[in-house]
Amino acid sequence: GQSLEQPSEVTAVEGAIVQINCTYQTSGFYGLSWYQQHDGGAPTFLSYNALDGLEETGRFSSFLSRSDSYGYLLLQELQMKDSASYFCAVNRRGGADGLTFGKGTHLIIQP
Amino acid sequence: NAGVTQTPKFQVLKTGQSMTLQCAQDMNHNSMYWYRQDPGMGLRLIYYSASEGTTDKGEVPNGYNVSRLNKREFSLRLESAAPSQTSVYFCASSALAGDGEQFFGPGTRLTVL
Repeated sequence: GQSLEQPSEVTAVEGAIVQINCTYQTSGFYGLSWYQQHDGGAPTFLSYNALDGLEETGRFSSFLSRSDSYGYLLLQELQMKDSASYFCAVNRRGGADGLTFGKGTHLIIQP
Repeated sequence: NAGVTQTPKFQVLKTGQSMTLQCAQDMNHNSMYWYRQDPGMGLRLIYYSASEGTTDKGEVPNGYNVSRLNKREFSLRLESAAPSQTSVYFCASSALAGDGEQFFGPGTRLTVL
């Protein structure tokens, strides 16, 4: 079967840095995506890594190591509005067959 | 640009009733998807459509059917609703097959009694 493991909950302080890890075990791998979802809202795309290394987009960065089947999302200068759930998702086949999602990490920001 | 739109936003059904969830996108995307999300869970793929005229089963297709009506619209039908289908349903689209970036609609919150 397919599995993506990420912590269920992470707590951090406003202004700090937090890292959310994701390890995956899937039959096929083309890339790793990250999505943010606020309570009651729709998932919104944050980043995508197809190759090893770090991708930076503003306060958010994402890292991938294909040899370790591991990636992480790094959030810097945390703001209260970053309180949300974060999902990693694997593109398994490269075709339009959708993404396989992890169960999500609930990020709690404390003032 | 409305992006991805879904109707209805909320729906309550009785066991055995049928309904169709509608989805449309105005981004000229080729690929469209239906996911369901249960409490505390990630999204699970029900069906997808790589391009107009094609549809394929995802991870949890049982109890559902889909129609890719044209490039813009992708509908999900529950023929005989069951309580296990109580969930939030999200439609999504992507520009190209295999894109890691998908655009999601606001969701339909469905309760089956």
